[in-house]
Amino acid sequence: DVKVTQSSRYLVKRTGEKVFLECVQDMDHENMFWYRQDPGLGLRLIYFSYDVKMKEKGDIPEGYSVSREKKERFSLILESASTNQTSMYLCASSLGRDRYNSPLHFGNGTRLTVT
Amino acid sequence: KNEVEQSPQNLTAQEGEFITINCSYSVGISALHWLQQHPGGGIVSLFMLSSGKKKHGRLIATINIQEKHSSLHITASHPRDSAVYICAVASYNTDKLIFGTGTRLQVFP
Repeated sequence: DVKVTQSSRYLVKRTGEKVFLECVQDMDHENMFWYRQDPGLGLRLIYFSYDVKMKEKGDIPEGYSVSREKKERFSLILESASTNQTSMYLCASSLGRDRYNSPLHFGNGTRLTVT
Repeated sequence: KNEVEQSPQNLTAQEGEFITINCSYSVGISALHWLQQHPGGGIVSLFMLSSGKKKHGRLIATINIQEKHSSLHITASHPRDSAVYICAVASYNTDKLIFGTGTRLQVFP
């Protein structure tokens, strides 16, 4: 079974702090994704990566950056956290070149609160 | 109009009932995903399908490509099926995954 592990379940940070969210998958998947989920807005893609050091912006990349130095790890960085980044963050991975034509595997999510 | 519409938005059922959740979409797709999210956050992939029907235990997913419609059925529902069910389609024009807003299911004993 594929396991996608997010480093924190709950996180509380102050406005202006630099925040790192880590995600690790153990099945050699090429594709990794970061989503945020907000009530009434559903899941929105922040960034995705299809290979080491490769990244592409999703629908809402502003205020975020990502890093993929190793195939199994995909990090989401909030350069200067703001209260409007309070949200549930979900990492996912999938196998293969057609990233959405194979099952998606999600982590348990990180609920981030920025005060 | 949203590109992916789910109905109903909320659903309550008694244990043992047969449940149907619907998903309609307006774009051309290469695949459709059904996801389950329990309270507390984690999302589990239930099905990925591009044609026909798939079955896993008490869950059945069907898709009609011509009608741009998919259904998720739960037979003999159980309180542990209580969750939000999300439909997502892989658009082959935009190479994006488009999510529905989810159906909240509560099954009472």
